[in-house]
Amino acid sequence: DARVTQTPRHKVTEMGQEVTMRCQPILGHNTVFWYRQTMMQGLELLAYFRNRAPLDDSGMPKDRFSAEMPDATLATLKIQPSEPRDSAVYFCASGFSGGYNEQFFGPGTRLTVL
Amino acid sequence: AQKITQTQPGMFVQEKEAVTLDCTYDTSDPSYGLFWYKQPSSGEMIFLIYQGSYDQQNATEGRYSLNFQKARKSANLVISASQLGDSAMYFCAMREGGRSILTGGGNKLTFGTGTQLKVEL
Repeated sequence: DARVTQTPRHKVTEMGQEVTMRCQPILGHNTVFWYRQTMMQGLELLAYFRNRAPLDDSGMPKDRFSAEMPDATLATLKIQPSEPRDSAVYFCASGFSGGYNEQFFGPGTRLTVL
Repeated sequence: AQKITQTQPGMFVQEKEAVTLDCTYDTSDPSYGLFWYKQPSSGEMIFLIYQGSYDQQNATEGRYSLNFQKARKSANLVISASQLGDSAMYFCAMREGGRSILTGGGNKLTFGTGTQLKVEL
């Protein structure tokens, strides 16, 4: 049963610390998305990659957030330095751009910045 | 302007009854896809159903059907025979396809604000 995996599932950190979230997309999927969910903003896209190349990161605060795909099996989202307003659930999703419609979501990383 | 609008923050339905969750969308792209996802209290996002803008028939998946009215730009989710396990947040989302309809799962989704559904005995 192919699934998107995310680590860690929960993270509590102090303001100013670096946070790294990891995502393993479904094997064979060529597009990876990072979404953030908060009560105030709902679900919003932060960044996405196709064939490991960044396509759109306009939803991401550039001064503190960075997203990369070091290889086809790993996507990372880093926040440095973290702030309390970054507290949210961060979802990774993967999909295939070749005509297959669904995006599969990972279980999310619940981040709390104190 | 909101691209996806869900006007019902919360809905209640009796078990075994049908319920319709509303979704309207706004796009000038002729190629787009509409999705519904379910998010139970555990937090995961579960794909329910998809409707493509060129699809002639309304999509159905088991107890889920999508009432697609293209001229009105609406894509309402109908859940038949509600079950207690259907209690969850439901999100409508849109993928705009750009020039190619073959972008499939490779384009970003824009989500609505969600509808919290509560199924009662």
